[in-house]
Formats: sequence, structure tokens, C-alpha cells
Amino acid sequence: EVQLVETGGGLIQPGGSLRLSCAASGFTVSSNYMTWVRQAPGKGLEWVSIIYSGGSTYYSDSVKGRFTISRDNSKNTLYLQMDSLRAEDTAVYYCASAPNAYFFDYWGQGTLVTVSS
Amino acid sequence: DIQMTQSPSSVSASVGDRVTITCRASQGISSTLAWYQQKPGKAPNLLIYTASSLYSGVPSRFSGSGSGTDFTLTISSLQPEDFATYYCQQANSFPRTFGQGTKLEIK
Repeated sequence: EVQLVETGGGLIQPGGSLRLSCAASGFTVSSNYMTWVRQAPGKGLEWVSIIYSGGSTYYSDSVKGRFTISRDNSKNTLYLQMDSLRAEDTAVYYCASAPNAYFFDYWGQGTLVTVSS
Repeated sequence: DIQMTQSPSSVSASVGDRVTITCRASQGISSTLAWYQQKPGKAPNLLIYTASSLYSGVPSRFSGSGSGTDFTLTISSLQPEDFATYYCQQANSFPRTFGQGTKLEIK
């Protein structure tokens, strides 16, 4: 059974940094396309970033230059390093697998990031 | 960026009703469209991919159609567990974008 578990969320001050983790079981992160999607409180879904199995990465304009997606193959874990955080980054962050980078099939339960002073 | 516009934003319906949600892309996206269902406090669930392919385990009362710029999600006979928010998502280009969501409520 495929399972994705996000951790690392919490309360952080504007300008701070946070690293989210997404631990996978039941499949291999390095062999799959993996993505991060976020959802601000009471709002819709917003795509954040994707990493291809070959290592290529893409970002939304709203996080480009501030967020970095990566993975640790030995830990079978996906990461999202978030720097220079802003209030508008407050959201639940979901990791998901993304077959061929098109749609998102397996999702984690999400982790809440709150950026506030 | 490709803008995805869903209509209606909310709809009230009864168990057994047939419901259709539409999604329009600001430019052609071929059939690179997915539909998701999300319940409060939960992660989204994939329903439909490549516009009309039913994802594994999804009941056959869900169906999708369309290509180019206009797409529809149809639920043929609403069940109590179908009351949720539905999102479309394009996969034609980056950034991937979602519609604003359609909230399906019980009448």
C-alpha cells in the first residue's frame, strides 16, 4: 500500500525558513515524479513544485527562488525547503505522486504551515 | 499561465440527482485535464485523468468528457458521500493550475 506522510509544518515568523518532509512507503520516490500542492485556509488548491524522476524541477512563480524541492533516495523522502517565508505562504502543504507529471494520484494527509509574527 | 474556470462555484442537489460541473481553460489543453474530489479536512482524491479516464476504484457514476478548452464532470446519480468540493486541474503546461472549485451541497 502506498503511503505518504508529511511532517515539518508549524508556526514560523515572516522571513524565516522551514523544511517539509514527505516520507514514502509502498513505492520509490526516486523512480516517480513527485509534487507539492498547497491550500490556504478556506481556499482552493495551488500547485507549488514538482521534481521529475530524472531530477528536473519546476516551480510556481509565487515560490520560485524561495522554495527548493529535493529528495533523499536513501531515505525515500521528498523535501520542500521553504525560505523567506511570507504570510501568504500560510497553507496546508500536501505532497503527492504525479505519474508522468500530469495528474496527482497518491496524496499525503498534509502539514500546516503558518507564517505569522 | 493557463487559467481554469469552473462553473458553477456551488450547486445544491439531492441524492439521486444528476449533476454536471464544467471547467473551461483559457487556452487549449488537449485532454490533459484531471478532476479531484475533496472533503473537509482531507486531501483531494483523484477521480478522472486525461479528461475521461476513470481512476482506479472510483465509482462508475463519475464520468468526464471534453477536450481543448471545455470539459465536464458528471455524477449520474448522487450518493450521500458525493457531497464535497470538486476541482479541475490542467496538465498541459507549467505552472499546473487548478480551477477555483465547485462545492456540491445537499439540497
